[in-house]
Amino acid sequence: AQKVTQAQTEISVVEKEDVTLDCVYETRDTTYYLFWYKQPPSGELVFLIRRNSFDEQNEISGRYSWNFQKSTSSFNFTITASQVVDSAVYFCALSEEQSGGSYIPTFGRGTSLIVHP
Amino acid sequence: DTEVTQTPKHLVMGMTNKKSLKCEQHMGHRAMYWYKQKAKKPPELMFVYSYEKLSINESVPSRFSPECPNSSLLNLHLHALQPEDSALYLCASSQDHPGMRITEAFFGQGTRLTVV
Repeated sequence: AQKVTQAQTEISVVEKEDVTLDCVYETRDTTYYLFWYKQPPSGELVFLIRRNSFDEQNEISGRYSWNFQKSTSSFNFTITASQVVDSAVYFCALSEEQSGGSYIPTFGRGTSLIVHP
Repeated sequence: DTEVTQTPKHLVMGMTNKKSLKCEQHMGHRAMYWYKQKAKKPPELMFVYSYEKLSINESVPSRFSPECPNSSLLNLHLHALQPEDSALYLCASSQDHPGMRITEAFFGQGTRLTVV
């Protein structure tokens, strides 16, 4: 069963539009971690944010904001006033405790964001 | 320094070749990972090393052989690969230890491997 669902395969917007990328996760653990990563065409995965399951505070960082809601098991990501440089594939990831105590990130399928000038 | 360095960036190899991918980090992280990513797919975990010991092998074929010579280095030895093994291979590291607070995984830029 897929533990991280990113239902939007591809989103296309025009520059300066706001865009929200959805992420729904599934876990039975009480302690877990959620991440967003950006993967530009160069291939590197760039860390954007980490949230633990005990911290439901929303966060804003410049044009980026994140809405974590445990009640709906969602961790959505909003880009305000999108720019062409935001074009990338965005992955939501979940880390749960594995045997041995390690936490390994499992990725959603990713959402490809295309921002047109 | 929050960098994970992977070499080479691109690699083309024949099915009878033996090659190695290298990964290096100097962040003091004790967990290191190999992921495989096919086009338009998410990264898939292959191996995890924790304190230089292999802790997770996600049923990866033996033609992929990981090695962790020390806490900063992670290698992936390749032998007798198939064309379907062509993919982006990503290395990552993180500071998570059992019972301790997790940090995010930092990823390298990847090695784009083509098997011909």
